[in-house]
Order: sequence, then C-alpha cells, then structure tokens
Amino acid sequence: AQKVTQAQTEISVVEKEDVTLDCVYETRDTTYYLFWYKQPPSGELVFLIRRNSFDEQNEISGRYSWNFQKSTSSFNFTITASQVVDSAVYFCALSEPSGGSYIPTFGRGTSLIVHP
Amino acid sequence: DAGITQSPRHKVTETGTPVTLRCHQTENHRYMYWYRQDPGHGLRLIHYSYGVKDTDKGEVSDGYSVSRSKTEDFLLTLESATSSQTSVYFCAISESRGGDEKLFFGSGTQLSVL
Repeated sequence: AQKVTQAQTEISVVEKEDVTLDCVYETRDTTYYLFWYKQPPSGELVFLIRRNSFDEQNEISGRYSWNFQKSTSSFNFTITASQVVDSAVYFCALSEPSGGSYIPTFGRGTSLIVHP
Repeated sequence: DAGITQSPRHKVTETGTPVTLRCHQTENHRYMYWYRQDPGHGLRLIHYSYGVKDTDKGEVSDGYSVSRSKTEDFLLTLESATSSQTSVYFCAISESRGGDEKLFFGSGTQLSVL
C-alpha cells in the first residue's frame, strides 16, 4: 500500500482557475513531516513547503495555500488564480522516523497543465 | 541552497557495464539519499546514508550499491547496468535545524542504458 497517495494523475485547467491537488498519507508515527515539491518542465525539484505533524495551521504563500488535516490524513495544496507558469508535476512527500533517520516517501505526482 | 552537485548530468551506457553516479555536498549534512524517477512511479528511494560508512536500503535497491567514505560524497553504483535502470536519478540531502527538517535535491542525472 502506498504511504502517500496522489490520486489525481493529471489535472488540466484554464488560466485563472483555482485548482486543488490532493495528498493523502498513511503513517503510525506521531512525529512526521509532510512536503510539497514542484517539478517544472526543466526537471529540477523545487521545495515548496514543509509541515511537521504538530503544526496543523494552514499556510498561505501568495497564490499557494496548504490545508493540513490530521483527522483525514490529508495535506492538500491549492493554487488560486492559476497561471501558465504553474504547469508542472507536483509531488507530495511524507518523512517518517526510521531507526534515527527520517525517510522521505513520495507520492507518484500530479501533473498540472494550465492552459492560457 | 544546500550545495548539492550531481555528476554526470547525462550518461549513456551499454547493458552490462558498470556505472557510478556521484553526489557531492558542501555543507556537511549527515543524511543523503538516492532516488530514481520514472513515469507513473514518482520518486522511489534506492539507498540512503546516515553517516560515513552508514548506509541502508530503500524501496528499489536491487541492482544498486552505494558508498560513503566521506561526509561530502555519496556514490551510487550500478554494477552491471540493465535497460530497466534507465531513469533520472536524484540525490537529496536532509537538513535539520531547530527541529525543522528540509529536503533538498540535486539537479538530477539522466541515465540511459542501451
């Protein structure tokens, strides 16, 4: 079973639409970290956000916002007023403790296509 | 960023040949990781290291070995490359400060095994 599920393989929107990327995770640990990364067509992995399991406050950064809900094990990412430059593959990741290390596990990614 | 350099950036090799990918960091981070990225699979962990000479297997470790003889370098070796190992390989480091953890990635290595 996947520890991080990104059920949306591909999402296609028109510019200025709002879009939410879903991420559901599975863990038995009480201490863990959640991440979102962006991978534009150029291929690099760009860090967007990190949340620890004790911080359920939602966060907003410009057009980006994240909704962390432990009750549903979800860490969803919303882009408001999407732009063509938002077109990328977005990865959600879970980092759990394992023998003193924190081992990051990634979802399979959601490809977002924003049409002009 | 975290001063991560991967080399080579691109590599084409033939089936059965050995290949070594290098990940170099400049900031003395303890934890380093190797991932491979394939369409439909996202990023999958191959091996990771939690210190010099301390390594462990990840989800897809078969056919790969790693070594970390010094803090700054984490090497990934394909002893006998196969076509199924054609992939993009990413190195990552984990930085923890004040209880917060961040994961940073190198630029990736595109490996093609013909």
